[in-house]
Amino acid sequence: KAGVTQTPRYLIKTRGQQVTLSCSPISGHRSVSWYQQTPGQGLQFLFEYFSETQRNKGNFPGRFSGRQFSNSRSEMNVSTLELGDSALYLCASSLDPTGSSYEQYFGPGTRLTVT
Amino acid sequence: AQSVAQPEDQVNVAEGNPLTVKCTYSVSGNPYLFWYVQYPNRGLQFLLKYITGDNLVKGSYGFEAEFNKSQTSFHLKKPSALVSDSALYFCAVRGPQNSNSGYALNFGKGTSLLVTP
Repeated sequence: KAGVTQTPRYLIKTRGQQVTLSCSPISGHRSVSWYQQTPGQGLQFLFEYFSETQRNKGNFPGRFSGRQFSNSRSEMNVSTLELGDSALYLCASSLDPTGSSYEQYFGPGTRLTVT
Repeated sequence: AQSVAQPEDQVNVAEGNPLTVKCTYSVSGNPYLFWYVQYPNRGLQFLLKYITGDNLVKGSYGFEAEFNKSQTSFHLKKPSALVSDSALYFCAVRGPQNSNSGYALNFGKGTSLLVTP
């Protein structure tokens, strides 16, 4: 099976712009989660989607949003970019978030640099 | 709140020696614990998990982890380290289920493992 794919891999944006990142989960996985990784804050949970519904949201401002499509692909959007949004954004998918098979499989990430 | 702590920022070990990367947890209820590894400029790779059952969990690449309920620990181990094991290791715990049946993984801050030849 193909793994989790994320596009683009690298992105450079200017403060105030907006950005959309894309994630395709492993085939058959219906849960997609997003994380932000920075040297200072480590790995922080952004949100989780399951069957096109946001089921959980981390402690991030409303500038961060996401959605999931019927084929389980997910996008996240960050509006009005700030320098502090520079980070590695990781997408993860899992088969069964409510059961024992909760391990999440991560994509390679999108490295976002805000200048 | 469900949380994990990794007390060591870096662990150094010589190739061929056993390695241990430490993790302690704080949870209410039964813990769902995980170990991930991250190589430079890569995403996280799943190594192993503890849900229930045997306290010694075997995972990928020869890694194993020992769950200790009395010490609330879930240390990652490998009998003989390889230079290629050098990477960033993260312990994680599944957070509590919210009102929408959603979950999140709560990660430790990571431990950098350096294996020298």
